[in-house]
Amino acid sequence: EVQLVESGGGLVKPGGSLRLSCAASGFTFSSYSMNWVRQAPGKGLEWVSSISSSSSYIYYADSVKGRFTISRDNAKNSLYLQMNSLRAEDTAVYYCARDSQAAYYDILTGYVHVGVFDYWGQGTLVTVSS
Amino acid sequence: DIQMTQSPSSLSASVGDRVTITCQASQDISNYLNWYQQKPGKAPKLLIYDASNLETGVPSRFSGSGSGTDFTFTISSLQPEDIATYYCQQYDNLPPLFGPGTKVDIK
Repeated sequence: EVQLVESGGGLVKPGGSLRLSCAASGFTFSSYSMNWVRQAPGKGLEWVSSISSSSSYIYYADSVKGRFTISRDNAKNSLYLQMNSLRAEDTAVYYCARDSQAAYYDILTGYVHVGVFDYWGQGTLVTVSS
Repeated sequence: DIQMTQSPSSLSASVGDRVTITCQASQDISNYLNWYQQKPGKAPKLLIYDASNLETGVPSRFSGSGSGTDFTFTISSLQPEDIATYYCQQYDNLPPLFGPGTKVDIK
């Protein structure tokens, strides 16, 4: 059974840092791209970041670029999100999500196809407040 | 960035009713469109991928259609356990973007 378990959320002051972790089991972690998706309280879903299976390709939403860093350790079946310079608008439940399809670059259009999220963790709440 | 709209934003229907949700992209996204179900307090669940493919284990009362800019998600016979918010999501290009959601409840 595929399982994704996030941890590391909590209350942090604006400007602070937090590191989220996602422990994966039940599948060959090293074969899949992984993602972070967040949901602010009472709001919709927002993709945050993606990392390919070998960490060769990494993508970020503009809203977190330069502040957040995604990484993974395939030996530990773990995904991470280092969040720095946190803002109130980063307050959300953060989900890790597996991508069922490897990200690929379409040479004809120049588009990067990322995002068929077939398994999700239960989420971890990050609250940024003074 | 590609923009996604969904309608309606909410709906109320009776058990057994046919429910239809539409999703529109601001530009042609071919069939790079997924549908998710999110129940209150739970993580989203993938129902439909590539516009019309039913994810393994998902009941056949759920279906999707469309390509280009206009997409439709249908529940053929609404069940009490279908109470949830439904999101479309494009992945034709970065960033993968979710629609605003459609909240479905029982009349």
